[in-house]
Amino acid sequence: QVQLQQSGAELVKPGSSVKISCKASGYTFTSYDMHWIKQQPGNGLEWIGWIYPGNGNNKYNQKFNGKATLTADKSSSTAYMQLSSLTSEDSAVYFCARGLPGYKNDVMDAWGQGASVTVSS
Amino acid sequence: DIQMTQSPASLSASLGETVTIECRASEDIYSNLAWYQQKPGNSPQLLIYDANSLADGVPSRFSGSGSGTHYSLKINSLQSEDVASFFCQQYNNYPNTFGAGTKLELK
Repeated sequence: QVQLQQSGAELVKPGSSVKISCKASGYTFTSYDMHWIKQQPGNGLEWIGWIYPGNGNNKYNQKFNGKATLTADKSSSTAYMQLSSLTSEDSAVYFCARGLPGYKNDVMDAWGQGASVTVSS
Repeated sequence: DIQMTQSPASLSASLGETVTIECRASEDIYSNLAWYQQKPGNSPQLLIYDANSLADGVPSRFSGSGSGTHYSLKINSLQSEDVASFFCQQYNNYPNTFGAGTKLELK
């Protein structure tokens, strides 16, 4: 079955960077978009962007340009998101999620368990 | 960006009741709408896409409808395991955007 296993909780200092991982299994990693979504406590969901591991193509929410960088390692079926210049506004749970194949790629049919990032000095 | 407005923000209903959650888009999204359920402490799970297509494994008591700017999610015969927050998402235009969520509790 499709599984997305994310890395653990992170406590990081303001101004630093953090890299979150999402290891995929149970499907062909290179054939589906991988999305990243932000959820702050008590808040809704905010879409960050997607990467297509097959060729590295990506699409970002302009709001996260310069904040988030999406990469993927085909050899280990792992997607990554790096967040830079962290502030308290970046404290959130971050999810990876697989997109449906084809032109429904922005529908997310499998989600990781979430990775908590806390930015504090 | 397309704004997605969900109502109500919270809802209390009894077991066996029928529940309806609304989602309104700031412009026509041509049925490019999905619904997700997020149970407490868990990640969101896909319920509905293309406004009315049931995702694999989702019970048939869930259904979606709507067109243009106005969409709804209906839950027939509410079960205890349906307690969750529900989010709509439009994927007609980038960036993908979500509603603020509806929290469903048991009365």
